[in-house]
Amino acid sequence: QVQLVESGGGVVQPGRSLRLSCAASGFIFSTSVMHWVRQAPGKGLEWVAIISYDGSNKYYAHSVKGRFTISRDNSKNTLYLQMNSLRAEDTGLYYCASHREGSSWYETAFDHWGQGTLVTVSS
Amino acid sequence: QSVLTQPPSVSAAPGQKVTISCSGSSSNIGNNYVSWYQQLPGTPPKLLMYENSKRPSGIPDRFSGSKSGTSATLGITGLQTGDEADYYCGTWDSSLGRVFGGGTKLTVL
Repeated sequence: QVQLVESGGGVVQPGRSLRLSCAASGFIFSTSVMHWVRQAPGKGLEWVAIISYDGSNKYYAHSVKGRFTISRDNSKNTLYLQMNSLRAEDTGLYYCASHREGSSWYETAFDHWGQGTLVTVSS
Repeated sequence: QSVLTQPPSVSAAPGQKVTISCSGSSSNIGNNYVSWYQQLPGTPPKLLMYENSKRPSGIPDRFSGSKSGTSATLGITGLQTGDEADYYCGTWDSSLGRVFGGGTKLTVL
């Protein structure tokens, strides 16, 4: 079955960097559009970034543009999120999610989610 | 403040029906598909509905979705205690990209 397993979260000081990983299995990762979505403690969902199946197209939420970079290694079935210049408001649970196959690029249809990895930005 | 407006909470008795609204504008819901998610306590979100009213495999037909103009609605019939969760709508916004509603907490009394 489909599995998405995030890792790399932790406690980091404001201004520092962190790289998250998401290991995928149970589906053809190399043909799947992928996303990162985050959720601040006790708050709602916030979409963070999207990457095309081959990594050629990437888009970001305004709140992270210029600071975060999404990437993927299809040979390793792994999705990444490089987070630089972290701020307190970046604190939250970070999920990787797969884009529903067949849905248009612009849809918000994420059909598989990992359990998330917690990022805490605090001095 | 979310671009998509959902009621913070709704409640109903077991076996009853409940609806959850998601209100937006012409820059988002009015011209794009809406998806719905269920998030049980301590778990990741689960896709309940896509393209306004289509259910992924495995989602019971007790769940339904609709869209009219700049609003969308999730309906749940035959409420069960296991339906207690947070529900989120999501869509594309022409200025902001992918956006979610603030979420609605469903309590089954």
